[in-house]
Amino acid sequence: AQKVTQAQTEISVVEKEDVTLDCVYETRDTTYYLFWYKQPPSGELVFLIRRNSFDEQNEISGRYSWNFQKSTSSFNFTITASQVVDSAVYFCALSDENTGNQFYFGTGTSLTVIP
Amino acid sequence: DVKVTQSSRYLVKRTGEKVFLECVQDMDHENMFWYRQDPGLGLRLIYFSYDVKMKEKGDIPEGYSVSREKKERFSLILESASTNQTSMYLCASSLLVGGRGSYEQYFGPGTRLTVT
Repeated sequence: AQKVTQAQTEISVVEKEDVTLDCVYETRDTTYYLFWYKQPPSGELVFLIRRNSFDEQNEISGRYSWNFQKSTSSFNFTITASQVVDSAVYFCALSDENTGNQFYFGTGTSLTVIP
Repeated sequence: DVKVTQSSRYLVKRTGEKVFLECVQDMDHENMFWYRQDPGLGLRLIYFSYDVKMKEKGDIPEGYSVSREKKERFSLILESASTNQTSMYLCASSLLVGGRGSYEQYFGPGTRLTVT
């Protein structure tokens, strides 16, 4: 069965601190896809990144970086030098060969960056 | 830019009413999805559609139906609204992948429905 766990329900950091959001997934398939989304207070989910299971290279985009480790079934998200605009709920999601175009979402991590 | 729009940001309905939530996307995506979002439960899939007039049940289809008469439009219908259907409803769309693979989904702004 497919499952995504985001154990951190809420995190608060002071501006300019680094913060890591954890995502642990479960799937029996060898081919799968992982995603991160940001949901700011306005409500609309914004796509951040897509990663397939054959590409374990870490990715960096500005202050954002993602660490994909198949050995621990984790796809963690780090924000460096956090800013108030980073305050949002962040969701990790999984799709695989069985689910195809259907996603399984974690329950989300609410990040508050304090000025 | 992908754009997914939803007919209302906020909606208040009475128990027993029939409710229509409309979603339109402008990127010619084959797939469209309806989710509901509740605190502590994340996003749960209600229904999705991979083509006109085609639909598949998601994880929580009970109490809902859908309609897809045109490729760009996907409607969620609450036949007889109940208070436990008070929630945030999110629509999404994505390209269809044949065989293996998965593309990212793009989301609308959501409709916060309150059933009294």
